Amino acid sequence: EPEVTQTPSHQVTQMGQEVILRCVPISNHLYFYWYRQILGQKVEFLVSFYNNEISEKSEIFDDQFSVERPDGSNFTLKIRSTKLEDSAMYFCASSEAQGHPGSYEQYFGPGTRLTVT
Amino acid sequence: EDKVVQSPLSLVVHEGDTVTLNCSYEVTNFRSLLWYKQEKKAPTFLFMLTSSGIEKKSGRLSSILDKKELFSILNITATQTGDSAVYLCAVGLFSGGYNKLIFGAGTRLAVHP
Repeated sequence: EPEVTQTPSHQVTQMGQEVILRCVPISNHLYFYWYRQILGQKVEFLVSFYNNEISEKSEIFDDQFSVERPDGSNFTLKIRSTKLEDSAMYFCASSEAQGHPGSYEQYFGPGTRLTVT
Repeated sequence: EDKVVQSPLSLVVHEGDTVTLNCSYEVTNFRSLLWYKQEKKAPTFLFMLTSSGIEKKSGRLSSILDKKELFSILNITATQTGDSAVYLCAVGLFSGGYNKLIFGAGTRLAVHP
């Protein structure tokens, strides 16, 4: 069964460093998303991406964050200068664009645990 | 502010019991309600509901949506230890081209043998 994959599974970085989290969405999906979950807290929406551009971003997704689809399969999240509070599990998700917008089944990857020291 | 509230926050049952998990929401631009099971890491998709009163079923799990009262329930019958997980409710929103999920805090279910 097709699934979303993410690498690395765990990333440790020092404050101020740049990190790139990688995702390979399900191959026929057209919408891509990043969410994060700080330990013990809710899953929070960061950004959605469609047709090679950001379609929506949350207030968390400030200028330190960027997303890119560098080729036909990868979808990346870059954090330019990490802060301690960026430590979280980052989930990538993807969905087909079938049916009514907002009613897309989103499938999640296994996550990357980012630890900023 | 868009809000999704789940109850109870945690639940401990014995194998064979039936459980009902609740999810209520107050959002603008509601389009769908989704249930996920989160064990160690990734939320695993269970159901998506868009219409009131139509039950979705998968094995021992079932779910229904009430768009008038703004809530959904997830039922698990004849629980097994493998059902132990955090169950997440999320609401799909759509407005002006965007499309995102707002999650509740989850219900942590522990099924004891």
